[in-house]
Amino acid sequence: SYELTQTPSVSVSPGQTASITCSGDKLGDDYACWYQQRPGQSPVLLIYQDTKRPSGIPERFSGSNSGNTATLTISGTQAMDEADYYCQAWDRSTPVVFGGGTRLTVI
Amino acid sequence: EVQLVESGGGWVQPGGSLRLSCAASGFTFKNYEMNWLRQAPGEGLEWISFITTGSGTIHYADSVKGRFTISRDNAQNSLFLQMNSLRVEDTAVYYCARDPGGQLVPAYFDYWGQGTLVTVSS
Repeated sequence: SYELTQTPSVSVSPGQTASITCSGDKLGDDYACWYQQRPGQSPVLLIYQDTKRPSGIPERFSGSNSGNTATLTISGTQAMDEADYYCQAWDRSTPVVFGGGTRLTVI
Repeated sequence: EVQLVESGGGWVQPGGSLRLSCAASGFTFKNYEMNWLRQAPGEGLEWISFITTGSGTIHYADSVKGRFTISRDNAQNSLFLQMNSLRVEDTAVYYCARDPGGQLVPAYFDYWGQGTLVTVSS
């Protein structure tokens, strides 16, 4: 079965740039999206179709997807960005798959 | 404002059944594909079922196929999940989520409900 791999944890200082990666075989051939989940809350869609941001999502969140890796970049990281981040991939022939999640710590 | 409100969770013994509901508001429900997803305690996200606008196409994850049934009532703006033959490993928070992809397969999820906890234990 198809798998997406994420680093379990990433730490970043306030104001710095955080990069969270998601790896999967030929992931760049699929669409990738990203969700943020704060403790005790439901997931929120941050990025869809590799690079698009839903309305209301700050511009400091951006995405890319190429080769075997999708990346979520958070510029000017804030304390409120501390959360779990999940990547997800889909295409017409592959069932929805989620990565295992990355816990972002802002320290 | 888009709202999705799940209900129907609770405690059930292994082998038992539960029916989850999701009440939708703030958007034209009949125009959107819908999904159920779940998250076991301390674990990641798992997609489990998808239904198209007219219920003509339905997909299930292998982990629930043959035990769970998704359905919808567009007149009542509601999504349902009938869960039978429940197992301990089905213990999770269950979320309904809107799918704007329009792809006839699950794509991505732009609004999620608050979730309802299902606990399967003896």
